[in-house]
Order: sequence, then structure tokens, then C-alpha cells
Amino acid sequence: EAEVAQSPRYKITEKSQAVAFWCDPISGHATLYWYRQILGQGPELLVQFQDESVVDDSQLPKDRFSAERLKGVDSTLKIQPAELGDSAMYLCASGNTGRKEETQYFGPGTRLLVL
Amino acid sequence: KNEVEQSPQNLTAQEGEFITINCSYSVGISALHWLQQHPGGGIVSLFMLSSGKKKHGRLIATINIQEKHSSLHITASHPRDSAVYICAVRETSGSRLTFGEGTQLTVNP
Repeated sequence: EAEVAQSPRYKITEKSQAVAFWCDPISGHATLYWYRQILGQGPELLVQFQDESVVDDSQLPKDRFSAERLKGVDSTLKIQPAELGDSAMYLCASGNTGRKEETQYFGPGTRLLVL
Repeated sequence: KNEVEQSPQNLTAQEGEFITINCSYSVGISALHWLQQHPGGGIVSLFMLSSGKKKHGRLIATINIQEKHSSLHITASHPRDSAVYICAVRETSGSRLTFGEGTQLTVNP
């Protein structure tokens, strides 16, 4: 069964360093989402892509976060510089329609710890 | 006040018990999702509802659009059902999902 792949699974870094996360969605899925989930809370959307275009990045802290999906397939989320408050689970999800009734398929997540 | 609120936050049950998790929302929605998140972090979509009721195995999800309320029921609960259950809504005004904070379910043998 096709799955959303993410790497790394775990990342420990010091504050002010740069970190990058990678996501490979299910083949053929046009929509890709990056979420941040702080411990004990629900996921929060950071950015949504439709193919290679950003559809919604209103909640992305653009002074330090960036995301790209250059060829409309896999995607990279970068944080530079990392801050202590960025410690969280970063989840990637993909969907195949982009319509309101779309089901999202989640990857295993990257757990980030900033020291 | 969160747009999506779940209750209870934590729930402990004995194996075999009938379990109900509730979700209330304050905005107009086009769909509501129930998701399951295991300790490793992976999230699985259980149901997507826009009206009525859906059933899959021992899981049942219902939604009342007028009352802006949904419930997830688990019949004959089992320790492997232990996970965080998250309610998420897709507002009619946009495509973004808004998530509740989750309900941590622990089923003891």
C-alpha cells in the first residue's frame, strides 16, 4: 500500500542552526500539506501545495520557515534559524483531489527537538 | 475558545467497554474528519463525514450538522485501540483543516 514518506524521523539540533525535513507524497497526489503539532495539541497547517504552487501559507512563520515543492512531487520544509519553540512533530500529508471532500494521508512525521 | 473542541481530553477504559468521544465545532463546515494517532506519531484517517453516520468494523461516527456536533464510538474496546483520536473540520469558507486537540484513549486489558 502506498504511503507518505518523511525523513528524518527524528532530529535534534541546537538553536540557531538550520534544519530541513523531506516529504515524498503518495504517487499521483497533487496536494501536499505540512503541519506542525506541538505536544498535546492538534496539528496546525503550515503550508499547502497544489502541485508546485503554494495555495495557503498564511500560518507559516516566513521569517524563519520556508517550503518548496519545485517539481510538484516531493517537498522540503526548512527552518533557519531554529528556535527552542520550534520543538514539535512536523507532519506531511498528501491528497489526490484538493477538493473539500479530499481524504488526507499522513506520513509518520519528523520529531524535532531544539536544544 | 477553539473552533474545534473535543471531550474528554483523556479517557481510560477497561477492555470490552463502549467508548464515546465527542467533538463540537463553532464554524460552518463542509466535512468533518476523525483521525487516529498512535504513540509513534503516525496519523490514520478513520472517517470523513458530511452528514449522518458511518460504520467501519467496531468504529461508528455520527454527525449532527444542526447541533455542530460529532461523536466517535468504539464498541467492544481493545487495548490496541489505545491512541489519540483527533477531530478535524474543513470549513465551508476554505480548504484548510482545523484540528481539535485530541482525546487520549487508554484501554486496559
